[in-house]
Amino acid sequence: ETGVTQTPRHLVMGMTNKKSLKCEQHLGHNAMYWYKQSAKKPLELMFVYNFKEQTENNSVPSRFSPECPNSSHLFLHLHTLQPEDSALYLCASSPRTGGVNEQFFGPGTRLTVL
Amino acid sequence: KNEVEQSPQNLTAQEGEFITINCSYSVGISALHWLQQHPGGGIVSLFMLSSGKKKHGRLIATINIQEKHSSLHITASHPRDSAVYICAVWEETSGSRLTFGEGTQLTVNP
Repeated sequence: ETGVTQTPRHLVMGMTNKKSLKCEQHLGHNAMYWYKQSAKKPLELMFVYNFKEQTENNSVPSRFSPECPNSSHLFLHLHTLQPEDSALYLCASSPRTGGVNEQFFGPGTRLTVL
Repeated sequence: KNEVEQSPQNLTAQEGEFITINCSYSVGISALHWLQQHPGGGIVSLFMLSSGKKKHGRLIATINIQEKHSSLHITASHPRDSAVYICAVWEETSGSRLTFGEGTQLTVNP
C-alpha cells in the first residue's frame, strides 16, 4: 500500500447508527487531517493532528469524534448523525503542521446518512 | 464571500483547446496550491507555488502575488483532463491551514 488510504470508500448509515471511518498513511508523515466536502462547497477542515496530538478542531459537532492512535492512523467515529452530514470525507497527511506543507489526500469516504 | 474565488465554475472544451482556470484570493498568503479531483473523489496535488511560474507536462501554473491572482493553464487538452480543479491557499496568519476555492469543473469532449 502506498500513499493515503481510506476505508470504507462508501458508507450508508441511519441516524441512530455508530460507524467509524479509517485513514492510514504510508508516507512517514507526522500530521493528519480530516476534511468534509459537501456538494458545491469548498473543502472544510474538520480536525488536525500533529504527532498524534489534536491541534485543531474547527468547531465540529460532537457527533464526530476523531482518534489518532499513532502518526500513521486516523479515525473518525460517527454517531447519531444527521442527513446534512452526508458528504465526502477526505483524509490527508503532510510531513508536519506549521508553515507550507504539501498535503497528500486519500480517495475519500462517500457517506450517506438516511 | 469566500476568501478564494475561482472562475469559471464550469468549463467545457473541445479536445486540443488551450484552457485557463483562474483563482483570486483576498488574503495574504504564504503559498498557493492547485489540486485536481477526479470523479471518484481522490485529490491529487498539481502545483505548489509562491511566485512566478511552474510547468509540468501540459500544465502551467502562474501566480501574481501583487494582484493576488493565479492561473492554471492546460495546453492541448484531452478528455482525461476532465476533473474538478481546486485552488487552495496557505494564509500567512493561519499556519498550515489551507483555504479552498469551490473548484472548477472541467469537461473536455473528444
